[in-house]
Amino acid sequence: EIVLTQSPGTLSLSPGDAATLSCRASQSVTRTFLAWYQQKPGQGPRLLIYGASTRATGTPDRFSGSGSGTDFILTISRLEPEDFAVYYCQQHVEYPYTFGQGTKLEIK
Amino acid sequence: QVQLVQSGAEVKKPGASVKISCKTSEYLFVKSFLHWVRQAPGQGLEWMGIINPINPSGRTTVYAQKFQGRVSMTSDTSTNTVYMEMDNLRSEDTAVYYCARSYSTYDKFDYWGQGTLVTVSS
Repeated sequence: EIVLTQSPGTLSLSPGDAATLSCRASQSVTRTFLAWYQQKPGQGPRLLIYGASTRATGTPDRFSGSGSGTDFILTISRLEPEDFAVYYCQQHVEYPYTFGQGTKLEIK
Repeated sequence: QVQLVQSGAEVKKPGASVKISCKTSEYLFVKSFLHWVRQAPGQGLEWMGIINPINPSGRTTVYAQKFQGRVSMTSDTSTNTVYMEMDNLRSEDTAVYYCARSYSTYDKFDYWGQGTLVTVSS
């Protein structure tokens, strides 16, 4: 199965900072099949980015995705208080679909 | 507004079975593939399988190997509902179980249910 490794595990930043979250795959993943989700406490995940770089409906433009092959990045250009959450990458090209272990973005 | 509405929390004893439901609109039912994803307390997301609601016994219904033989995904076209049943529950199965929707098989999960907490405890 394709293993996705996210780093860092926890990122402590302040509102207004920029955040860079990494997702590395154990084998190449076509960009089309790489997504990012946001999960807030007590809530289900929400689709944020799909196709590695396309913002889902309702995703603010301060969120951007990039990358290809085995290395993907989620960038938040200027953190808002509502952005502090856990972020997961996912590959949906091969069964079993897999998620990274998550990056927790916390307020410093 | 897209909605996936799941059944309520369950408390089960080890060795028991649980059956969770996920109801959607008729339009989505025929235009979706539905997935089950679970999340143990404080842990990440784990994909369990995918079901084609209008052809649940077809090739596009797939289980993660870890759950094959212990999990069954079914659907009821009369109520636009899919079900996930898990047998022989263990304490490690304590988790929030989500249904999630994709438009096609190899596609992102664009909508999620609210989650169903299953607690397995003696």
